This record gives sequence, C-alpha cells and structure tokens, in this order.
Amino acid sequence: EVQLVESGGGLVQPGGSLRLSCAASGFTFSNYAMNWVRQAPGKGLEWVANIVFSGEDTFYASSVEGRFTISRDNSRNMVYLQMSSLRVEDTAVYYCAKDGLKIGPYFFDYWGQGARVTVSS
Amino acid sequence: IVLTQSPGTLSLSPGETAALSCRASRTVSSNYIAWYQQKPGQAPRLLISGASNRATGVPDRFSGSGSGTDFALTISRLEPDDCAVYYCQQYIISPTFGHGTKVEV
Repeated sequence: EVQLVESGGGLVQPGGSLRLSCAASGFTFSNYAMNWVRQAPGKGLEWVANIVFSGEDTFYASSVEGRFTISRDNSRNMVYLQMSSLRVEDTAVYYCAKDGLKIGPYFFDYWGQGARVTVSS
Repeated sequence: IVLTQSPGTLSLSPGETAALSCRASRTVSSNYIAWYQQKPGQAPRLLISGASNRATGVPDRFSGSGSGTDFALTISRLEPDDCAVYYCQQYIISPTFGHGTKVEV
C-alpha cells in the first residue's frame, strides 16, 4: 500500500522559513518523480514543485520559484520542501504527491494527507 | 493553460448521471488531462489520467472523454458517496487545475 506522510507544518511569520518532509513507502521510491501541491483555505489546487526520480532536475511554479527548494533522499525514501521568504499568500495545506511517471510533472496518483502551513504575524 | 470547469455546482439525485465539463484555453495535446475527486477534509484522489484511463480501483461508473480543448467526466448511477469536488488538471506544460465542480447528490 502506497503511503505518503507529511510533517513539518506550522505557524511562521512573514519572511520566515519552514521545511516540510514527506516519508514515502509502499512503492519503489527511486523510480518516480515526486511533487508538492498546495491548497489555500477554501480554494482550489495549485501545483508547487516537482523533482524527477533521480533528483537531478527540479521544476517550480512561478509563484514560488527562487523561494522554495524541493529535494529528495532516495536512500531514505524522503522528499522535502524548503520554503523561504514566506508570504501570507503561501498559507495552505501542502500535499506530497507521487507522480505517475519517472519525470514530470505529470499527473499525481497518490497523495498524502497534507501539512498545514500558516504564514501570519 | 487555463482550465474552465462547468457547472460550478451540480445537484442531482441518486441513480442519475453527472456530466462535468473542463475546457482548456488552448489545445492539450496527447490528451494530458487528469481528473481528481476531493471529499471534505480529505486529500484529492486520482480518478482519470490521459483523459480516459481510469486509475486503479476506480469504479467503471466514472468515465473520461474528450480531446483538444474540450474534456468531460461522466459519473453514472450516482451514489451519495460521490458527493465531492471534482477537479480537472492539465499536464502538458506546468500543471494547472480547474477551479472544480461541486457535485451534490
């Protein structure tokens, strides 16, 4: 059974930093790209970042480019999202999502339960 | 690519058929369209990829169709458990989602 478990969410002030983690299990982690997708309160879904299966390439939404960094550790089946220069508009539930393919971003076939990030003074 | 979903809300009775629309601002080649179901308080669940390929474990009451700029999700024989928001997503370039259609049964 595929499982994705996020951690690291919380309350942070504008301009601050936070790192989210996602522990993956139930599939061959090193064979698939991974993504972060967020959902602001009461809003729709927004893709944030993608990292290919090997970790050699990353892709970002324009709204977070230069502020967020996605990374992975294939030896630990972990994916991370380092968030810096946080803004109020980054407030959202952040989902870790497995890509359907090795590279991407494409479609997201498994999702974690989400980590809530609140940016507020 | 902007995805426009309609209607915003669909209210139907059990056993009826729901027809959800997703229109893209430009052609989505290779039918790189996915559909997701999200129930309140839950993470999204993949239903359809490649415009018409059902994901593992998805009942055949859910079917996807379309090409070019016009895509559709059809839910047959509606059940109360189908109450959710349904999102379409394109993945031909920098993934984007539609704003969702809320289905009430």
